[in-house]
Amino acid sequence: AQSVTQPDIHITVSEGASLELRCNYSYGATPYLFWYVQSPGQGLQLLLKYFSGDTLVQGIKGFEAEFKRSQSSFNLRKPSVHWSDAAEYFCVKAAGNKLTFGGGTRVLVKP
Amino acid sequence: EAGVTQFPSHSVIEKGQTVTLRCDPISGHDNLYWYRRVMGKEIKFLLHFVKESKQDESGMPNNRFLAERTGGTYSTLKVQPAELEDSGVYFCASSQLVIRGGTDTQYFGPGTRLTVL
Repeated sequence: AQSVTQPDIHITVSEGASLELRCNYSYGATPYLFWYVQSPGQGLQLLLKYFSGDTLVQGIKGFEAEFKRSQSSFNLRKPSVHWSDAAEYFCVKAAGNKLTFGGGTRVLVKP
Repeated sequence: EAGVTQFPSHSVIEKGQTVTLRCDPISGHDNLYWYRRVMGKEIKFLLHFVKESKQDESGMPNNRFLAERTGGTYSTLKVQPAELEDSGVYFCASSQLVIRGGTDTQYFGPGTRLTVL
């Protein structure tokens, strides 16, 4: 069965500091990977996606993610966090049209 | 362009009652999906429509759940009768393309928070 693991349930980071969220996925020949974010009171918003090609993917809001096939990882990064980045982040893998979600990482931003 | 919309945003019902959730996909999107997140768990796939046809309903938990998509536009998800374990957030998503052997980006609605007392 497909699986996506986000090892960190909560992360607290100071505003202006860098952020890295970890994601590991179960093996797949052609992984289609996404990061979504859910801000308080909001729906799920797509940050970025990887289908093929360049393994470093740029997304919205200054986020980027790096696909590493050898490590089955798709970690999300942001160089400098803003208070508005406080949210829950989901790593997602697609198998056909069915999405498998990680458990989510809740990010708290300290002033 | 309007995004995926869901109604209601919140619903509180008693065990044994019926609730119907509605989703309006992005205009022109043939694919419509339902997902849910119960307390403390991952977001899980429920089912997938292509136009008005159910393409995959492997995630539907039991026959108390009935999804329809009349005319290939909006969709409803009915829970009858509701049980305590049905509480959670129900998300709807839509995507434009049907890609054989591949995938397309899914755009999510804000979700409906269902509480069964």
